[in-house]
Parts: sequence; C-alpha cells; structure tokens
Amino acid sequence: QQQVKQSPQSLIVQKGGISIINCAYENTAFDYFPWYQQFPGKGPALLIAIRPDVSEKKEGRFTISFNKSAKQFSLHIMDSQPGDSATYFCAASKKEGYSTLTFGKGTMLLVSP
Amino acid sequence: NAGVMQNPRHLVRRRGQEARLRCSPMKGHSHVYWYRQLPEEGLKFMVYLQKENIIDESGMPKERFSAEFPKEGPSILRIQQVVRGDSAAYFCASSPAETYGYTFGSGTRLTVV
Repeated sequence: QQQVKQSPQSLIVQKGGISIINCAYENTAFDYFPWYQQFPGKGPALLIAIRPDVSEKKEGRFTISFNKSAKQFSLHIMDSQPGDSATYFCAASKKEGYSTLTFGKGTMLLVSP
Repeated sequence: NAGVMQNPRHLVRRRGQEARLRCSPMKGHSHVYWYRQLPEEGLKFMVYLQKENIIDESGMPKERFSAEFPKEGPSILRIQQVVRGDSAAYFCASSPAETYGYTFGSGTRLTVV
C-alpha cells in the first residue's frame, strides 16, 4: 500500500517556467509534509515543509500548496533554473514524538537552458 | 560542523557476505534514522535509534538486518548473508531531538554481486 503517491515521475521545464509536482496521501493522521531535493550521489536535503493548519507556504521561488480536504499537496518552483534539475521527493510524517517519514517515489526534474 | 557522515560511500559484497554500514550523526545529535532507497523508488524507513536504544524497527526486515547506536561511536547497520535484492542506497539521518526535518548523509551504495 503506497501511502504517498507522487506525480509526475519525470518533468521537463524550460528555464524560467513553473515546475509543478503533486502528491496525494491517504492517512489522515499525517500532520507534517516536507519536500526534499536530491542531487545525484547525494542524500536528500530538506527544501520546504508545511503543516496542515495552513494552505500555502512560500520560501523564495518554492511554494507548497496544501489541500487538506482533498488530501493533496503540491510543490511549485517559480522561475525554474537549470540548477534546480534534481529529483524531488514529497514525504509525510504522522506521529508526534518522533518523525519517521513516508516518501513518495520521486519526480526527476530537468530544467532545460 | 560536519554533516552526517556515512562510510563507506560505496560497498561491494558477494552474495552471502556481511555488510557493515556506518553513520556518524551530526555533533550534538542523539537520534539516528536509517532509510533504504531502491532504484527509482523513494526512501523507505528502516529503523530509528537513540543512543543505546532501538526505538522503532518496524521498517527493518526481521532476518539478516540489525542496527545499533552505541554510547560511543557511530551507528551501525549490519546486513548478514547479503543477497542481490539488498543492493540499494542506504541513507542515515540524524536530529538533535524528536523533531521533524532531520539531516541526511550522502548514503552508502551497496552492490551485491
């Protein structure tokens, strides 16, 4: 059972465009939703995260939109740059006290110059 | 302050051998998490440890896999009698407390031949 479904699997965006990656979750006990960025040969790095008490969070060019009723959240990368080319993972955590993460399968983003 | 250090970066083992993966958390961090990443898959939680204690091992296979985080020294993930299906990237993350948003290391890429 895949608890966090991520789409698309891969994405090609032109430089300056908007990259949009979507995730859907099933477990209503999830209460923390981070996005991680991973470059080849590196570990995932926390990019931005949101709690379900807000519908949107913005940090620079990165925005998370959260729809609690639909159990969906998405990452928007504005003014996408070639340096943003990486694999992006959404994740969710459900337990207070400690935070084991359930990850989506990832989206490979390529920003063309 | 060095990040989460994992070694070796690459490990090749023949079927039936033992693999030992080491993780040194960030300074001051006493919580360690191990995740496994199969090709084209997201990360899957394996085990969560605090110093000298296993808190949650619900994601770790019952046989052949074990983990420890001694009072002194790095956390160790041990895989006995490796099989081809164990080939994956193994990531360690650490945090200073039971908080969200921990830091990942660069991983150990295990190849079983």
